[in-house]
Amino acid sequence: DGGITQSPKYLFRKEGQNVTLSCEQNLNHDAMYWYRQDPGQGLRLIYYSQIVNDFQKGDIAEGYSVSREKKESFPLTVTSAQKNPTAFYLCASSIDGQGTNYGYTFGSGTRLTVV
Amino acid sequence: AQSVTQLGSHVSVSEGALVLLRCNYSSSVPPYLFWYVQYPNQGLQLLLKYTSAATLVKGINGFEAEFKKSETSFHLTKPSAHMSDAAEYFCAVSPTGFQKLVFGTGTRLLVSP
Repeated sequence: DGGITQSPKYLFRKEGQNVTLSCEQNLNHDAMYWYRQDPGQGLRLIYYSQIVNDFQKGDIAEGYSVSREKKESFPLTVTSAQKNPTAFYLCASSIDGQGTNYGYTFGSGTRLTVV
Repeated sequence: AQSVTQLGSHVSVSEGALVLLRCNYSSSVPPYLFWYVQYPNQGLQLLLKYTSAATLVKGINGFEAEFKKSETSFHLTKPSAHMSDAAEYFCAVSPTGFQKLVFGTGTRLLVSP
């Protein structure tokens, strides 16, 4: 079955450490997204990519970096510059439909905790 | 810029009662509207979507939503709540032809026996 796979499900980061969250999709979707979820704040967009080798900052990109070298993959790196990284991270993808919007397909998330 | 407002961060109902979750949108162009559901420690699952066809949209698990342009609303309803409906629900909007969704802050539905 097609879908989005996020790994790991749980991740622990030490102070000053960079960590990378994996997101892979086999839906042949063009666009991919990273969201951060905190209690009571909904989903906030970190980065998104509409095509391979191109990506744009979202609303809270500081302290994060991404790459899009393959259509299927959109990894997110949480750098040491992100001062409050403890959160639930969600990856999503969508078909780049012209003139319509089919919505997103989401992965099951990665919970990152600073220890 | 487009946005959505979800009234009530928490809604409590009894099993068998009507579920009503409110969503109002702001968009300068005809929007696409979505409702998603999230169970604990999981990703979001699409419940239903409005894409300018019928104004009453039926989704999965017995949910439906009605697009009311005059009220800029897209409220989610279910006639009879089930314990398994307890989850967080998100409304989202995007302008026609643009892919990036803007999400509301979510409403947590609590269902009591």
